[in-house]
Amino acid sequence: AQTVTQSQPEMSVQEAETVTLSCTYDTSESDYYLFWYKQPPSRQMILVIRQEAYKQQNATENRFSVNFQKAAKSFSLKISDSQLGDAAMYFCAYRSAYVMNRDDKIIFGKGTRLHILP
Amino acid sequence: ETGVTQTPRHLVMGMTNKKSLKCEQHLGHNAMYWYKQSAKKPLELMFVYNFKEQTENNSVPSRFSPECPNSSHLFLHLHTLQPEDSALYLCASSQEVWTAGNTIYFGEGSWLTVV
Repeated sequence: AQTVTQSQPEMSVQEAETVTLSCTYDTSESDYYLFWYKQPPSRQMILVIRQEAYKQQNATENRFSVNFQKAAKSFSLKISDSQLGDAAMYFCAYRSAYVMNRDDKIIFGKGTRLHILP
Repeated sequence: ETGVTQTPRHLVMGMTNKKSLKCEQHLGHNAMYWYKQSAKKPLELMFVYNFKEQTENNSVPSRFSPECPNSSHLFLHLHTLQPEDSALYLCASSQEVWTAGNTIYFGEGSWLTVV
C-alpha cells in the first residue's frame, strides 16, 4: 500500500523568505501523480501544485515549485517570497495513475502547519 | 468562490439527534467523496460515489449514512453519533473516480461537534 509521510508537523518562516516543506512517499508503482494542497484557516482545501511522475521537469506555479526526486521518492514544496496569506496547513498527496484501479484514491500525509512571521 | 459548496458550515448535535450534511458541486463532475478530518490525523476517506453509485465504503460505522441522489449532490446523514465523531467533514468532487490523475476539488467543510 502507498504511504505519504510529512515529517515536519510545524514550520515557521519570515515574511519574504523562502521555505521548503518536505514530503516522502512509498509506492511500488512507476506511474502516479503527486499533489500539494493548502488548507488555510477557512478550512477549504486548495490545490497548490501537481506533478506527474513520468515528467522529469519539476512543476512550478508562480511562487510555488517542487523538487521531485523520483528515485528517492521525495516531493518537497518550495515557497518563495513567503506572504502572510501563505499561512496554512499544507498536505502532500499521492494518487495512482493506473486507470480502472478500484483502489484508486488520493492518499494524504498528516500535514505541515506553516506559520509566516511578519 | 468554490465549485463545491457544503452546508451547514458548523453543526452542533446531541448524541440522540438526527442531522444531515449537504454537499453540492457546480463543476460538472461525476465523482463525489466524503472525507473526515480529525485533529492530528491524516484525512480519512469515508465514501466514494461515481455516477451516483457508491463505489467505496471505507469501513465507516453505520451511524453515518451517505446519499447521492444525482451527480451534483451528496448528503451525509448522521444519527446516534459519538463525541469522537466530532471532526471536520470535507466533501470533494472529481471528474471521474477511475480516470487517472484527476484532481480532487474540496468544499470548505462542515465542522461537526457532538455533545
